[in-house]
Amino acid sequence: DVKVTQSSRYLVKRTGEKVFLECVQDMDHENMFWYRQDPGLGLRLIYFSYDVKMKEKGDIPEGYSVSREKKERFSLILESASTNQTSMYLCASSPLGGKAFFGQGTRLTVV
Amino acid sequence: GQQLNQSPQSMFIQEGEDVSMNCTSSSIFNTWLWYKQDPGEGPVLLIALYKAGELTSNGRLTAQFGITRKDSFLNISASIPSDVGIYFCAGRKGSGGYQKVTFGTGTKLQVIP
Repeated sequence: DVKVTQSSRYLVKRTGEKVFLECVQDMDHENMFWYRQDPGLGLRLIYFSYDVKMKEKGDIPEGYSVSREKKERFSLILESASTNQTSMYLCASSPLGGKAFFGQGTRLTVV
Repeated sequence: GQQLNQSPQSMFIQEGEDVSMNCTSSSIFNTWLWYKQDPGEGPVLLIALYKAGELTSNGRLTAQFGITRKDSFLNISASIPSDVGIYFCAGRKGSGGYQKVTFGTGTKLQVIP
């Protein structure tokens, strides 16, 4: 079975802190994605990557950056966390042209 | 960014009832996907549809790829308590190495035993 693992289930950070959310997949997938999920808004794409060191902005990249130094790992970075970044963050991976598999999510609270 | 219109937004049903939800878009997609998210978990893929007009079943779930390629429907028959969760549709289009996926806003299903 495909496994997509996010490093934390719950995270509480202070405003202005730099936050790293890590995601690892074990199926050698080319594509990896970061979404945020908010009530009534569904899943919104922040960034995605289709290869090592390659990244593309999604629909809501402002306030975020990403890093993909190795194929299996895709990190989401909040340079200076703000309260409006309190959300559920979901990582996903997929093979080229294939279906996406999701991690269990990280619920981030910024206080 | 673009989002799909998914309805209803939430629904309460009695155990044993059938459920229908749908997703519409102003854009054409070449793949439709339906995911279910259990409380506290990430979404899990239920059904994938690849051709306009296609009807696909997975147990008590049936999904259809609309003939216009701008909509999709999910039906759940004889609902049970473990059907509770949020159901997301997703449309995919594009070619090459990356095919952009757009998600619906979700339908929250609650089943009353």
